[in-house]
Amino acid sequence: DVKVTQSSRYLVKRTGEKVFLECVQDMDHENMFWYRQDPGLGLRLIYFSYDVKMKEKGDIPEGYSVSREKKERFSLILESASTNQTSMYLCASRGEVGSSYNEQFFGPGTRLTVL
Amino acid sequence: KQEVTQIPAALSVPEGENLVLNCSFTDSAIYNLQWFRQDPGKGLTSLLLIQSSQREQTSGRLNASLDKSSGRSTLYIAASQPGDSATYLCAVGGSARQLTFGSGTQLTVLP
Repeated sequence: DVKVTQSSRYLVKRTGEKVFLECVQDMDHENMFWYRQDPGLGLRLIYFSYDVKMKEKGDIPEGYSVSREKKERFSLILESASTNQTSMYLCASRGEVGSSYNEQFFGPGTRLTVL
Repeated sequence: KQEVTQIPAALSVPEGENLVLNCSFTDSAIYNLQWFRQDPGKGLTSLLLIQSSQREQTSGRLNASLDKSSGRSTLYIAASQPGDSATYLCAVGGSARQLTFGSGTQLTVLP
């Protein structure tokens, strides 16, 4: 059973704080993703990684950075949290075979509130 | 650029009814298509994955079909139950690593 876990279900932070969201997957997947989800805006891709220490910007990378030091772990960092980063954050992972990609699995999400 | 559309945005049906959710995409050069379910405040749960070479996939009361040439997929739910109430999203996988998501259909099954 594929498992994607996220470090917190709920998080409350102050404006200007540095925030770390952690994601771990246990299926040896190459690809990992961070999305945010807001009402009326759907899922938006922030960053993704296709290998250790590799990262690519998604659609809305501004204000975020990521780290992937180990294959199973992908961290999202808010360098200086702002109120407009209050959102649901979803991590996902996806394996690949040759040049094709397999089923994508999501974690339970982290509801972040920035005050 | 791939675009994925799901219509309707919301659907309400009485319990026991069979229903169809629709997903359309603009670029037929896809590798696979995936259907997800999302309950309020939760992550997405994968329901079905259809590879581009397949026409349909079944899991329990769910059946997903894929017509690449017309850019359409449907998710058929048989004998709907109140527990099926959720938002259903389809996502298309192409040559890029990331999926392209539709905005979802919010389903309410009334007891």
